[in-house]
Amino acid sequence: DVKVTQSSRYLVKRTGEKVFLECVQDMDHENMFWYRQDPGLGLRLIYFSYDVKMKEKGDIPEGYSVSREKKERFSLILESASTNQTSMYLCASSRGTGLLKNIQYFGAGTRLSVL
Amino acid sequence: AQTVTQSQPEMSVQEAETVTLSCTYDTSENNYYLFWYKQPPSRQMILVIRQEAYKQQNATENRFSVNFQKAAKSFSLKISDSQLGDTAMYFCASIQGAQKLVFGQGTRLTINP
Repeated sequence: DVKVTQSSRYLVKRTGEKVFLECVQDMDHENMFWYRQDPGLGLRLIYFSYDVKMKEKGDIPEGYSVSREKKERFSLILESASTNQTSMYLCASSRGTGLLKNIQYFGAGTRLSVL
Repeated sequence: AQTVTQSQPEMSVQEAETVTLSCTYDTSENNYYLFWYKQPPSRQMILVIRQEAYKQQNATENRFSVNFQKAAKSFSLKISDSQLGDTAMYFCASIQGAQKLVFGQGTRLTINP
């Protein structure tokens, strides 16, 4: 089974702090994704990556950056956390290109509160 | 741009009943996939069922089936003989060409004993 592991289930941070959310997958997947989930808005894509050291902006990248130094690990960085970044963050991975290989597998999520 | 719309924010049914969750989408492509994902309370999101747009036959996975109406761009999920463990948020999603999934707003389904 594919396993996508997010380092923290719950995080509480203060406004202005730099925050790192870590995600690791164990199935040698090419693609990795970061979403935020808010009530009534579904999941919105923040950033994604097709390969090591490669990143693409999603629909809501402002205030976030990412890092993918190794294939299995994809980090989401909040450079200066703000209260409007309080949310549930989900990491996902998928095998590769082609529609059939694009089934995404999700981590359990990190619920971040910024005070 | 792709859009996916779930018009039912919440639904509630009794155990063993059948329930249908609605989803509509918009796309200009002919080749795409549609998905239903389930997110149980405080647990990981998992894929329930998927439908390939070029297949006319509706997908079925045990108690879960879809009603795919391509012309109407409708993709509803039917859960038969609902169980308490079906209580979850359900998200409809689509993907075409590129690797990005587009999600609907979600439907919170509660199965009551």
